[in-house]
Amino acid sequence: ETGVTQTPRHLVMGMTNKKSLKCEQHLGHNAMYWYKQSAKKPLELMFVYSLEERVENNSVPSRFSPECPNSSHLFLHLHTLQPEDSALYLCASSQDPSGPRIFGPGTRLTVL
Amino acid sequence: EDQVTQSPEALRLQEGESSSLNCSYTVSGLRGLFWYRQDPGKGPEFLFTLYSAGEEKEKERLKATLTKKESFLHITAPKPEDSATYLCAVVTSGTYKYIFGTGTRLKVLA
Repeated sequence: ETGVTQTPRHLVMGMTNKKSLKCEQHLGHNAMYWYKQSAKKPLELMFVYSLEERVENNSVPSRFSPECPNSSHLFLHLHTLQPEDSALYLCASSQDPSGPRIFGPGTRLTVL
Repeated sequence: EDQVTQSPEALRLQEGESSSLNCSYTVSGLRGLFWYRQDPGKGPEFLFTLYSAGEEKEKERLKATLTKKESFLHITAPKPEDSATYLCAVVTSGTYKYIFGTGTRLKVLA
C-alpha cells in the first residue's frame, strides 16, 4: 500500500487504558508528524520528527508519548487519557520538516 | 502572536460559479504557506506550497496566489466534486512552527 497508513482507524478506550497508534510510510520521507484534529478547531501540531529525532514538541501533555524507531514508522502511545482527548489523530510525512505533505487517513479516537 | 485566519467559514456555490477563498496570516517570518483539501473522514490532501509574495501555483480549476499578508485560492468554474474543506497553513521561519487555519467548507451544487 502506498502513501501514509495509520492503524487502527477507530479506537475507543477508557481513561485508564493504555493504547498505541501506529503510522507507517514507505515514501522515503525523512520527516513525520502527529496532528490532532478536533471539531471546529484548527489542526494542532503535536510532534515533528526529522530523521528519527524529535524537532518539535508543542507543549503536549505527557499522557501522549511519541516514538519514532526509524524514518518509516511513528507511534503515539496513549495512557490515562481524558474525554477531551477524543479527536481525529492524523499522521503525516514529508521529505524534510518544512511542512506536512502526505497525510494518513487518521485514527478516530474516543475516550470514555 | 502568530495567527492564520480563513474566510469565509463556509461557502455554497452553483456549479460553474467561480469564487475565491482567503487565508490571511500574521507571522514573524514566513517560510511557506500550504493549501490542502480535506474530504469528510479523510486526512488532508496537499495542494500547493507558496514561498514568496507574487508566487502563483495552478492545478486544474484551482489557482493559489500569495501576498505579504494573505493568500487566495481561486476556484474557476467549480464542479460538485470540488466540494470539500480547504485548509491553509503557514510555516514560520526560524524554529519550525506550523499554524493551520480553521478551514473553509466549500459546497458546490449541481
